[in-house]
Amino acid sequence: AQTVTQSQPEMSVQEAETVTLSCTYDTSESDYYLFWYKQPPSRQMILVIRQEAYKQQNATENRFSVNFQKAAKSFSLKISDSQLGDAAMYFCAYRSPFNTGNQFYFGTGTSLTVIP
Amino acid sequence: GAGVSQTPSNKVTEKGKYVELRCDPISGHTALYWYRQSLGQGPEFLIYFQGTGAADDSGLPNDRFFAVRPEGSVSTLKIQRTERGDSAVYLCASSLTGGTGTFGSGTRLTVV
Repeated sequence: AQTVTQSQPEMSVQEAETVTLSCTYDTSESDYYLFWYKQPPSRQMILVIRQEAYKQQNATENRFSVNFQKAAKSFSLKISDSQLGDAAMYFCAYRSPFNTGNQFYFGTGTSLTVIP
Repeated sequence: GAGVSQTPSNKVTEKGKYVELRCDPISGHTALYWYRQSLGQGPEFLIYFQGTGAADDSGLPNDRFFAVRPEGSVSTLKIQRTERGDSAVYLCASSLTGGTGTFGSGTRLTVV
């Protein structure tokens, strides 16, 4: 089974600064999808950004961008100009392609604190 | 509805009892997932429905857990003879065809 590892249980960042959250994964598949989800205290998992493995270009969504290193199986999230509303748990997730189960595999999460 | 709705939001039950957790997906979404999130962990896959059928139930931990989706919309996760170790947040997600899911806010189950 695929495994997703987030080695930073907690991170903090000063408001308006930049922070990078790390994620590595293990897979033998060549085609897959990677995601970052945000989980505030409301418990709802909110999609932040997604990356298709076949795309070499790193995905960006406004202040959020990823550094996808396929050979190293690394998928880090960079949050620029951090805002108080960014404080939450962040989960990295891997999804198999359709023909091998379609389920998500999540890491253990990183708790992000934003300091005013 | 506008989002994925899960009821109840919180459920406390006694060890050994039977519980049902409900998920109302976004209208028209054919794919539906159940996940279990224990304290301090990421969500763990339980079961995936495509329409009315369970396309992948490999994540169900044992035969006390069962899920149905009889009409291809609402799904119910059923847990028999609950144990304290079943205490967790149970998350549901739905998607149009099986891609990126929209999650609900979960049901926090506490077994005492």
